Amino acid sequence: DSGVTQTPKHLITATGQRVTLRCSPRSGDLSVYWYQQSLDQGLQFLIQYYNGEERAKGNILERFSAQQFPDLHSELNLSSLELGDSALYFCASSVGGTIFYEQFFGPGTRLTVL
Amino acid sequence: GESVGLHLPTLSVQEGDNSIINCAYSNSASDYFIWYKQESGKGPQFIIDIRSNMDKRQGQRVTVLLNKTVKHLSLQIAATQPGDSAVYFCAETRGPDKLIFGTGTRLQVFP
Repeated sequence: DSGVTQTPKHLITATGQRVTLRCSPRSGDLSVYWYQQSLDQGLQFLIQYYNGEERAKGNILERFSAQQFPDLHSELNLSSLELGDSALYFCASSVGGTIFYEQFFGPGTRLTVL
Repeated sequence: GESVGLHLPTLSVQEGDNSIINCAYSNSASDYFIWYKQESGKGPQFIIDIRSNMDKRQGQRVTVLLNKTVKHLSLQIAATQPGDSAVYFCAETRGPDKLIFGTGTRLQVFP
């Protein structure tokens, strides 16, 4: 158990809908990273927050957004969902603000868009 | 999208043998590399890392080798065990904020 929790574990929804994925980092960790893992693209970095502020952006679509709250949990919002958004979404947390600090991954949320 | 490539998508080894998983990276400016292990139904787990000023780093039963000349990274697992069965990813840094992951190699350990 990494200490990172993600909810829900599974999510099934329809195209055009909007969903919110939630991540609680390990106690004491200030950074939260979001990743998408799909069969054709592998593991892709989406976005990072550090202590409430956006720190880095990766291959995140404009339809996707995220935020980190004062209690350091984070939410990833996916809107206008398309079939191609079906994937595993992982969050990871680390104590520091750069990738040189070990990241601890949560168990993931499996999103299925029908 | 950007990716770090792997030579072998699936590696089958006998329990007790040594395993070698390879990875080619594209950015000669990358200065930090990480190996992750992902078991079925779980998120990736850090195994070992190495900075570009090193050629070799050892952990418990694992060794990472870095050859900057040919931009090649390898993960060696000694005395492979059934619990080592998983998908292994290498990751390469792009600046201080971004990790680029390889496509993964599945390691299967048979008795």
